[in-house]
Amino acid sequence: KAGVTQTPRYLIKTRGQQVTLSCSPISGHRSVSWYQQTPGQGLQFLFEYFSETQRNKGNFPGRFSGRQFSNSRSEMNVSTLELGDSALYLCASSSGANSHYEQYFGPGTRLTVT
Amino acid sequence: AQTVTQSQPEMSVQEAETVTLSCTYDTSESDYYLFWYKQPPSRQMILVIRQEAYKQQNATENRFSVNFQKAAKSFSLKISDSQLGDAAMYFCAYRSEETSGSRLTFGEGTQLTVNP
Repeated sequence: KAGVTQTPRYLIKTRGQQVTLSCSPISGHRSVSWYQQTPGQGLQFLFEYFSETQRNKGNFPGRFSGRQFSNSRSEMNVSTLELGDSALYLCASSSGANSHYEQYFGPGTRLTVT
Repeated sequence: AQTVTQSQPEMSVQEAETVTLSCTYDTSESDYYLFWYKQPPSRQMILVIRQEAYKQQNATENRFSVNFQKAAKSFSLKISDSQLGDAAMYFCAYRSEETSGSRLTFGEGTQLTVNP
């Protein structure tokens, strides 16, 4: 079974632009969560989608948004990029609706904002 | 809100020796899961071990075991017979059983070096 895939793996954007990152979960998984990892703030939860509905949201500004499609693939979008948005963005998928189910992480997308 | 604290930014161990990584957490909930994740230089997060809070028995996975002290809100990871491949950043994480969803709250991480 293929693992969680994230595209692109690396991205360089300019301040003020917007960016869309994609996450394809493990086949059959319905939950996708997104995390931002930076040296200063560590790993922070962005949001989670389950069956196309946002189930949880972290403490990030409205510039960060996401969605999930009927095939469970998820995208996150960051508008009006700031230098501080430079980070590794990780997504994780799990099969079930509650915490009994394991989460599997993708390799991440490294975003650099210049 | 829950918080997770890892007070050891860096640790080192000799190959074949044993090392213990510390983690404390703060929560008012009684039902939750705790995890240790490993992040090697590839940045791929890998689940090492998990512990259900309602279980008194400490979890064990091969060379990895935990010391879960619920009353003290402590959750340490012991790595026995350390191998070079164990070198990585280790994160302690919390997940609530009382709220829906898969949200993980992570600690700051401990960078483990294994010396040959």
